[in-house]
Amino acid sequence: DVKVTQSSRYLVKRTGEKVFLECVQDMDHENMFWYRQDPGLGLRLIYFSYDVKMKEKGDIPEGYSVSREKKERFSLILESASTNQTSMYLCASSSGRHSNQPQHFGDGTRLSIL
Amino acid sequence: SQKIEQNSEALNIQEGKTATLTCNYTNYSPAYLQWYRQDPGRGPVFLLLIRENEKEKRKERLKVTFDTTLKQSLFHITASQPADSATYLCALEIYNQGGKLIFGQGTELSVKP
Repeated sequence: DVKVTQSSRYLVKRTGEKVFLECVQDMDHENMFWYRQDPGLGLRLIYFSYDVKMKEKGDIPEGYSVSREKKERFSLILESASTNQTSMYLCASSSGRHSNQPQHFGDGTRLSIL
Repeated sequence: SQKIEQNSEALNIQEGKTATLTCNYTNYSPAYLQWYRQDPGRGPVFLLLIRENEKEKRKERLKVTFDTTLKQSLFHITASQPADSATYLCALEIYNQGGKLIFGQGTELSVKP
């Protein structure tokens, strides 16, 4: 079974802090994704990556950056956290550059910015 | 503008009945459509995928239809059980975007015993 592990289930940080969210997958997947999920807005794609050191902006990249130094690890960085970044953050992975592959999700990090 | 819409209100049904969830989209030409299940506090879990040239797909008690003329997918759970209670998400995959998915907001299903 594919396992996607997010480093923290719950995290509380203060405005202005630099925040790192880590995600690791164990199935050698090429593709990795970061979403945020908010009530009434669904899942929105922040950034994704097709390969090591590659990154592509999703629909809401502002205020975020990512890092993919190793294939199995994809990090989301909040450069200077703000209260409107309080949300559930979900990481996912999928195999190959081809279509029709399901995405495998971690259980999320609920981040609160005070 | 591009939009994906699922039943915004929660769906409440009796155990044993068939649950039908709707996913409508506008201004997209999806190559594939996927359905996921999400339990509270957990990440979504993949259920089924249907291609644009497939009309229907089945897996055990689950059935998905895909009508590209109506721009609609229907997700059915037959002989529903309380354990089927969850939020169900549809997601579109667009051609040549390498696996990127666009998600609907989800429909919460509650199956009462």
